[in-house]
Amino acid sequence: DAGVIQSPRHEVTEMGQEVTLRCKPISGHDYLFWYRQTMMRGLELLIYFNNNVPIDDSGMPEDRFSAKMPNASFSTLKIQPSEPRDSAVYFCASTQGGSPYNEQFFGPGTRLTVL
Amino acid sequence: AQSVSQHNHHVILSEAASLELGCNYSYGGTVNLFWYVQYPGQHLQLLLKYFSGDPLVKGIKGFEAEFIKSKFSFNLRKPSVQWSDTAEYFCAVIPSNDYKLSFGAGTTVTVRA
Repeated sequence: DAGVIQSPRHEVTEMGQEVTLRCKPISGHDYLFWYRQTMMRGLELLIYFNNNVPIDDSGMPEDRFSAKMPNASFSTLKIQPSEPRDSAVYFCASTQGGSPYNEQFFGPGTRLTVL
Repeated sequence: AQSVSQHNHHVILSEAASLELGCNYSYGGTVNLFWYVQYPGQHLQLLLKYFSGDPLVKGIKGFEAEFIKSKFSFNLRKPSVQWSDTAEYFCAVIPSNDYKLSFGAGTTVTVRA
């Protein structure tokens, strides 16, 4: 298996623009997670899905952020409009349900820079 | 909500030195505990995890961690580090009835050859 796939790997955009980050989880995994990593706040969980349904979005910073999972093999995280403080590395992870003990497998991340 | 504290922000060692990274969590219930590692330019990978049973857990690459319930701690150890252990190490906690991983701030480990 190719692991969790994220695209793009790097994104540079200007303030006010819309940004869409993409994630393909590992086949057969029914949980998908979006994390954000910054120097100031470390690794934070933004939202997670189970069987394509958002379960907990309490970590989403504000209404500018939205996430969707239209099917089991694809999810997006959208920021509209983007701001410089959104600059971070965004990770997607997936796991097979049944137990929270199961390892979450992380993608390589998308490094977002908002100018 | 649970929180995770990692005591050291940056640790610098020489090769063959022993490593111990502290991790404490605050949560009143049963938890699952993890250590993840992020090598330079790479994504997070699982080093080891604890759910129940023997509180001394062995992971990959010679790492081990000890769960001390009374101290709410899950410290990571390696008897003899190598240059290739240079990375950032994250302690993480999930309550046993949840899927929300809470990460510590991370400890950057630099091993000098």
